[in-house]
Amino acid sequence: EDQVTQSPEALRLQEGESSSLNCSYTVSGLRGLFWYRQDPGKGPEFLFTLYSAGEEKEKERLKATLTKKESFLHITAPKPEDSATYLCAVQPRGAAGNKLTFGGGTRVLVKP
Amino acid sequence: DGGITQSPKYLFRKEGQNVTLSCEQNLNHDAMYWYRQDPGQGLRLIYYSQIVNDFQKGDIAEGYSVSREKKESFPLTVTSAQKNPTAFYLCASSHGGTTNEKLFFGSGTQLSVL
Repeated sequence: EDQVTQSPEALRLQEGESSSLNCSYTVSGLRGLFWYRQDPGKGPEFLFTLYSAGEEKEKERLKATLTKKESFLHITAPKPEDSATYLCAVQPRGAAGNKLTFGGGTRVLVKP
Repeated sequence: DGGITQSPKYLFRKEGQNVTLSCEQNLNHDAMYWYRQDPGQGLRLIYYSQIVNDFQKGDIAEGYSVSREKKESFPLTVTSAQKNPTAFYLCASSHGGTTNEKLFFGSGTQLSVL
């Protein structure tokens, strides 16, 4: 069974204090790993897709990396507007209908 | 602007009542999905549809039903058989097919039991 575990569950940062979020996964062959950002009371918003170990992608203060067992989302010099829940999801090879398995998310609060 | 529209934003269900959540997309996507989100938990797949007039059960389909009569619409009915319906419901869509495509999500419906 595919599993995704995110840690920590919650993270409090001071503005400018860089940190990393972890996404550990178990999947029978990975087609893609996705990162989403979710604001309270809203739907998730797509950030990145990673396909193979060693791959990295960046967007503003966010950088996602991938190994064979986990992915990291690095937040560099965060600002209060980076406060959100960050969700990780995996898509197994051969998954019917683009099915994704999501982790529980990491709630990030950045204080000014 | 293209996107996914979910309505209503908030919905209340009485004991024994069926309620229907609306999801409409104008992205011309073939595939549509319904997820349930409980506090502190990941999204769990209820139903998905890859093409009009066809849909499949996800991981937690019991107590729910769907229809896909039009490409743009994928309504979800929460039946009285769903004993714990309080949750945040998210509709999503994608182009479909077998590629690893990102999902586009609506803004969600919060369902509560009176």
